[in-house]
Amino acid sequence: GAVVSQHPSWVICKSGTSVKIECRSLDFQATTMFWYRQFPKQSLMLMATSNEGSKATYEQGVEKDKFLINHASLTLSTLTVTSAHPEDSSFYICSANSDLGQTDQETQYFGPGTRLLVL
Amino acid sequence: LAKTTQPISMDSYEGQEVNITCSHNNIATNDYITWYQQFPSQGPRFIIQGYKTKVTNEVASLFIPADRKSSTLSLPRVSLSDTAVYYCLVGVSYKLSFGAGTTVTVRA
Repeated sequence: GAVVSQHPSWVICKSGTSVKIECRSLDFQATTMFWYRQFPKQSLMLMATSNEGSKATYEQGVEKDKFLINHASLTLSTLTVTSAHPEDSSFYICSANSDLGQTDQETQYFGPGTRLLVL
Repeated sequence: LAKTTQPISMDSYEGQEVNITCSHNNIATNDYITWYQQFPSQGPRFIIQGYKTKVTNEVASLFIPADRKSSTLSLPRVSLSDTAVYYCLVGVSYKLSFGAGTTVTVRA
């Protein structure tokens, strides 16, 4: 249980184009999903919290107009990197909260990640 | 968010038990302790979660003392495939902050 998928697993795009990454909770519904970014040899950095049916909450320093997040259903959140530039090249990982864990506390389960390379 | 401190790296050999201790002195009453494992170019994988005392599952044990200011993840009889980065997180599910993690290297 508590499986999260991402698509695509990797993408290469030209500078200036937009790229959409999908995050799906496969066997549970998630009212809250999260988007992280991870640069090589670094830890995960939370970018934004995606809430189903409402606007995402962005962390300080993350441009909401550049990283568009849509959480239109209880099983799908999308991250669109608009006008991508080489510095946006990174590993993007989503997660979703599920109460299918071992405790009575909801647990975050992570997707496999999406590698983005902007040329 | 409670700040966590864990060793940067640990080396071990196949078949040994690996214990990683995480310090979280300012843990809040509602906070849970969660450990994740991450392999290169993969998303973190949930290992174990606990609130107090001891929790055990099929892959690890988590020891939490009464004051909850630290916790220890125990990996029994590690294998080469357990080489990864291990993250200790303290908080509630809607707000987690990743530290640097502990790189565990298992050698033959």
